[in-house]
Amino acid sequence: DAKTTQPPSMDCAEGRAANLPCNHSTISGNEYVYWYRQIHSQGPQYIIHGLKNNETNEMASLIITEDRKSSTLILPHATLRDTAVYYCIVRVSSDFNKFYFGSGTKLNVKP
Amino acid sequence: EAQVTQNPRYLITVTGKKLTVTCSQNMNHEYMSWYRQDPGLGLRQIYYSMNVEVTDKGDVPEGYKVSRKEKRNFPLILESPSPNQTSLYFCASSREPGVSEQYFGPGTRLTVT
Repeated sequence: DAKTTQPPSMDCAEGRAANLPCNHSTISGNEYVYWYRQIHSQGPQYIIHGLKNNETNEMASLIITEDRKSSTLILPHATLRDTAVYYCIVRVSSDFNKFYFGSGTKLNVKP
Repeated sequence: EAQVTQNPRYLITVTGKKLTVTCSQNMNHEYMSWYRQDPGLGLRQIYYSMNVEVTDKGDVPEGYKVSRKEKRNFPLILESPSPNQTSLYFCASSREPGVSEQYFGPGTRLTVT
């Protein structure tokens, strides 16, 4: 059973905002939502995480719906170097020490 | 520099020949984890460790062993590798699971023939 659902791929024009959605309808009240990205076959890189409130850092913004069943990662000005697979991650509710990565969204930033 | 290192980065071996992939972190993190990545399947957790001498199974532990004798090291052991363990392996560490980010190593590409 999937813990997160993401579209397999998305395109974005360089310089425009990229909005990557994620559904996590089974998330528990105290579980954080994390976003990572993976460029080619490198080790995944942390982007941002949040619990209830929207979060922003130098890389991205995270918008979490009020019911916490979905979230959106926003890259405000996508560049070609943002082309990567983006993973939305929650902990497995039956075991808080396990993490479910899902299959991610391949973001293609085009010139 | 804070980092997670893995060795070797690339390994080609034969079925049944025991091997160990090492993982080390220099951030004094308590939590460490191993993942494997296969085309179309994303990253799947193999084993994790909450602290020294505390390890537990992830989603795909069959065919693997781990140990955590020191806080900084978390080796992945394949006692009798098989071709279905051909994969890209990542080690990760974090201060606390679930409330802090995981730092990933560069990956180890293993081929078992």
